[in-house]
Amino acid sequence: KAGVTQTPRYLIKTRGQQVTLSCSPISGHRSVSWYQQTPGQGLQFLFEYFSETQRNKGNFPGRFSGRQFSNSRSEMNVSTLELGDSALYLCASRFGSSYEQYFGPGTRLTVT
Amino acid sequence: GQQVMQIPQYQHVQEGEDFTTYCNSSTTLSNIQWYKQRPGGHPVFLIQLVKSGEVKKQKRLTFQFGEAKKNSSLHITATQTTDVGTYFCESGGSYIPTFGRGTSLIVHP
Repeated sequence: KAGVTQTPRYLIKTRGQQVTLSCSPISGHRSVSWYQQTPGQGLQFLFEYFSETQRNKGNFPGRFSGRQFSNSRSEMNVSTLELGDSALYLCASRFGSSYEQYFGPGTRLTVT
Repeated sequence: GQQVMQIPQYQHVQEGEDFTTYCNSSTTLSNIQWYKQRPGGHPVFLIQLVKSGEVKKQKRLTFQFGEAKKNSSLHITATQTTDVGTYFCESGGSYIPTFGRGTSLIVHP
């Protein structure tokens, strides 16, 4: 089975711009979660989507949004980028109600 | 979500020495998961613990869940250079996943 894929792998943006990241889960996994990983804050949960509906949301501002498509692929959008948004953005998929998450390789976002 | 404190932040060991990382919570955890992230990589699921006092082993790795379900540990016996990485615990709880800050294991050959 192919693993979780994320595109792009690296991205450099300027403050004020917006960015869209994409995640394709493992086939058959309908749950996709997004995380932000930084040296200062560690791994922080952004949101989870299941069957095209946001199921849970972490403590991030409204500039961070996401969506999920009928094929379970998910996108995450960050608007009005700030320097502090520089991070590794990871998505993870899981099967059913399992707590076992499969992470993608991440998108390294740098905001200048 | 439920907060989990993980210690130590870093651990340097000589190859062959043992290693332990601890996760502690002020509240009872429903379950706890452990992940490993190699340098430059992404977290990889290791195991889930659900029951009070549960102990699970994977080769040289031993995972424990406390009797009160407020703490957990991961112990590696006779570390090898392949064990290098950061080990995270994660509590799923109400399903707002909360990760510990991780313990970075550095193994000196």
